[in-house]
Amino acid sequence: SQTIHQWPATLVQPVGSPLSLECTVEGTSNPNLYWYRQAAGRGLQLLFYSVGIGQISSEVPQNLSASRPQDRQFILSSKKLLLSDSGFYLCAWSSAGVGGELFFGEGSRLTVL
Amino acid sequence: AQSVTQLDSHVSVSEGTPVLLRCNYSSSYSPSLFWYVQHPNKGLQLLLKYTSAATLVKGINGFEAEFKKSETSFHLTKPSAHMSDAAEYFCVVSEKNYGQNFVFGPGTRLSVLP
Repeated sequence: SQTIHQWPATLVQPVGSPLSLECTVEGTSNPNLYWYRQAAGRGLQLLFYSVGIGQISSEVPQNLSASRPQDRQFILSSKKLLLSDSGFYLCAWSSAGVGGELFFGEGSRLTVL
Repeated sequence: AQSVTQLDSHVSVSEGTPVLLRCNYSSSYSPSLFWYVQHPNKGLQLLLKYTSAATLVKGINGFEAEFKKSETSFHLTKPSAHMSDAAEYFCVVSEKNYGQNFVFGPGTRLSVLP
């Protein structure tokens, strides 16, 4: 069966420090991969999605970036965090093609101080 | 373009009473529709999905939803609420022509009173 792992679960970082959140998927190949952010008490905002290795689409201009170095690995990064980057980050995957559902990781809580 | 409206930001019910969470959508193409549940500080879990088969969809934990094309609605129901149902619920639409484009509603927070 398919599983998705996301880490770290919680992170407290100072303003201006770098960020790396990692997500891996097991049990499937060539998945579509997504990074979402959820601010406190708000809905989900799509940050990045990827349909293949090295193929990244950015939905929101910001100081975050994403990379997909391997088929089932998706990394969210920042060189210098801002206070506004605080939030709950969720990685998700769906089957390639159309009509399938999203499967989510457990999330990473980022607090920028 | 797709959009999702969840008419209630917060719904409060008593344990053992029915649950109704409302969702309306707009879509240019034949949509897939989903309901997800999120407990605090957790990822989203799929409750059920509609993908053009039966219009009445049954999901996990006793939830079900009915796709009504004429009303562009996909309301989520449960006959009897349990305390463990207290969570945030998201309605999601995806157009079948664009597999990677999922549009989320703003969410409805369900409270269950003892």
